[in-house]
Amino acid sequence: EAQVTQNPRYLITVTGKKLTVTCSQNMNHEYMSWYRQDPGLGLRQIYYSMNVEVTDKGDVPEGYKVSRKEKRNFPLILESPSPNQTSLYFCASRSGTSPSEQYFGPGTRLTVT
Amino acid sequence: AQTVTQSQPEMSVQEAETVTLSCTYDTSESDYYLFWYKQPPSRQMILVIRQEAYKQQNATENRFSVNFQKAAKSFSLKISDSQLGDAAMYFCAYRTLRSSGTYKYIFGTGTRLKVLA
Repeated sequence: EAQVTQNPRYLITVTGKKLTVTCSQNMNHEYMSWYRQDPGLGLRQIYYSMNVEVTDKGDVPEGYKVSRKEKRNFPLILESPSPNQTSLYFCASRSGTSPSEQYFGPGTRLTVT
Repeated sequence: AQTVTQSQPEMSVQEAETVTLSCTYDTSESDYYLFWYKQPPSRQMILVIRQEAYKQQNATENRFSVNFQKAAKSFSLKISDSQLGDAAMYFCAYRTLRSSGTYKYIFGTGTRLKVLA
């Protein structure tokens, strides 16, 4: 089954404790993205990758890091989480062939206290 | 910078009736895509419909159709014969092509649709 998986689905952590949210897709997609969703703000793109070792900043990259060492994986790293990073996070992927649909993961609910 | 505006935070529709959700956007580009996504309580993001800017014909997917007015930069979603399962948050989204060759998605703030039995 074609899918994007994220782990963990729920995470409660404390300020300053480094964490990683994993994202994996099994569709051999070139493009992968991370978004955060906040009430009243919709989804905002954090980082984007168009292929292995190629990443680009989205609208809200501050406080986040990403890496794309393998085509299927695109982890999101919070080196020193802060309460304002409490949010719902989505990973998504799509093929480089246009037009193509963007497939979303199930979301990760992160709470930073 | 591109923007996407959904001016209706919440809408209600009676089951079996028709409802239209509004979306406007701002861009100086001529080549782009527009999307409507549905987010039910499960939080999963589901693509409802897609429109290529170069196509004049409005996209249609079963009970869902769009009214794409390129000059007016308007992209509304019409849901016909509304069903209880249509109740969800709906997001309008714009996809641009950056000069770096990567693609950027811009989402609106969403419209929550309630379907009344």
